[in-house]
Amino acid sequence: ETGVTQSPTHLIKTRGQQVTLRCSSQSGHNTVSWYQQALGQGPQFIFQYYREEENGRGNFPPRFSGLQFPNYSSELNVNALELNDSALYLCASSSEKGGRELGEQFFGPGTRLTVL
Amino acid sequence: AQRVTQPEKLLSVFKGAPVELKCNYSYSGSPELFWYVQYSRQRLQLLLRHISRESIKGFTADLNKGETSFHLKKPFAQEEDSAMYYCALTSGGGYNKLIFGAGTRLAVHP
Repeated sequence: ETGVTQSPTHLIKTRGQQVTLRCSSQSGHNTVSWYQQALGQGPQFIFQYYREEENGRGNFPPRFSGLQFPNYSSELNVNALELNDSALYLCASSSEKGGRELGEQFFGPGTRLTVL
Repeated sequence: AQRVTQPEKLLSVFKGAPVELKCNYSYSGSPELFWYVQYSRQRLQLLLRHISRESIKGFTADLNKGETSFHLKKPFAQEEDSAMYYCALTSGGGYNKLIFGAGTRLAVHP
């Protein structure tokens, strides 16, 4: 069984640029959630994708967007980067149980984004 | 507002001492509570969840709805317990959004 993978590991961008982060879900999982973890803070929920559709969103502006593909992998896109977007971006995959209850979320290693 | 508070950024103990990592939450309804752990150079992983009521690696946590707390306890700390610990909650159901606290670093000294 393959775990959750994320790419790239590290990324440096400048203010105003756009970035795409990628996540491959664990085998058999159909749901991906994205989190932003600023230095010294816990992860903050950005949004979740279930069967290729957004299934909930946290308190993040529209310049944070995402996609989920038929193989359940996912992308996080951030436009017009700002300095405070610098953070570790985590994705987590899980599988739907009966009645839409989700199972345990398994986290990837994260992508460290630095905005200069 | 939904919130998880971990009042201690760092908890430093000696091996064999008891450990209690504090977690308080605010949530209207019946949340599901979790403890996640991140060991050095490893990814975030689930340690335990309140509904399973089990002990993992000697750790237990009891949900106290009256005090809105979910403190993590271990009677005798081991050096390998040194890690970052995050308390989290979710409303459960089909929308599994985790709300995390800021985390507590546990340092167990020999």
